Amino acid sequence: KAGVTQTPRYLIKTRGQQVTLSCSPISGHRSVSWYQQTPGQGLQFLFEYFSETQRNKGNFPGRFSGRQFSNSRSEMNVSTLELGDSALYLCASSLVVSGKVTQYFGPGTRLLVL
Amino acid sequence: GESVGLHLPTLSVQEGDNSIINCAYSNSASDYFIWYKQESGKGPQFIIDIRSNMDKRQGQRVTVLLNKTVKHLSLQIAATQPGDSAVYFCADLNNQGGKLIFGQGTELSVKP
Repeated sequence: KAGVTQTPRYLIKTRGQQVTLSCSPISGHRSVSWYQQTPGQGLQFLFEYFSETQRNKGNFPGRFSGRQFSNSRSEMNVSTLELGDSALYLCASSLVVSGKVTQYFGPGTRLLVL
Repeated sequence: GESVGLHLPTLSVQEGDNSIINCAYSNSASDYFIWYKQESGKGPQFIIDIRSNMDKRQGQRVTVLLNKTVKHLSLQIAATQPGDSAVYFCADLNNQGGKLIFGQGTELSVKP
């Protein structure tokens, strides 16, 4: 079974621009979560989508948004980019088995904001 | 707020030795913990998990111990190999669902 895929893998943008990142979950997984990873803050939760609905949200400004499609694929968007948005953005998909939710991560999209 | 922390940012061990990575958490209501391994340039990879109704769980060369009294868990890697070199994170699955709260990570270096 194919793992979580994320596109693009690398991205360079300038301040003020917007960016859209894509995530395709493992087949059959309906939950997709997004995380931001930086050296200073570590791994921080952005939001989670399940059946096209945002089910959980982290403490990020409204510039960060996301959505999920009927095929469970998800996108996240960051508008008005700031230098501090430079990070590795990770997507994880999950399947509930016997009450346990195990998240499987993709390779991430590395975003550099200049 | 909730937090998950690790005791040491780096750990260096000799190949063949056992490694122990520690983690503390603050939310006494947490009931599911996961250890992840992240190699350079890759996303976190699931290693092992444990529910709060267990004290110990074993996998292949790895053991996770959970002490709910002091809100502490540890990951033990037996016979550490160079391929084990990576950053290890403990994570607490928030009761609200798909939200993992991660510790800062411990970088494990294995000396040949």
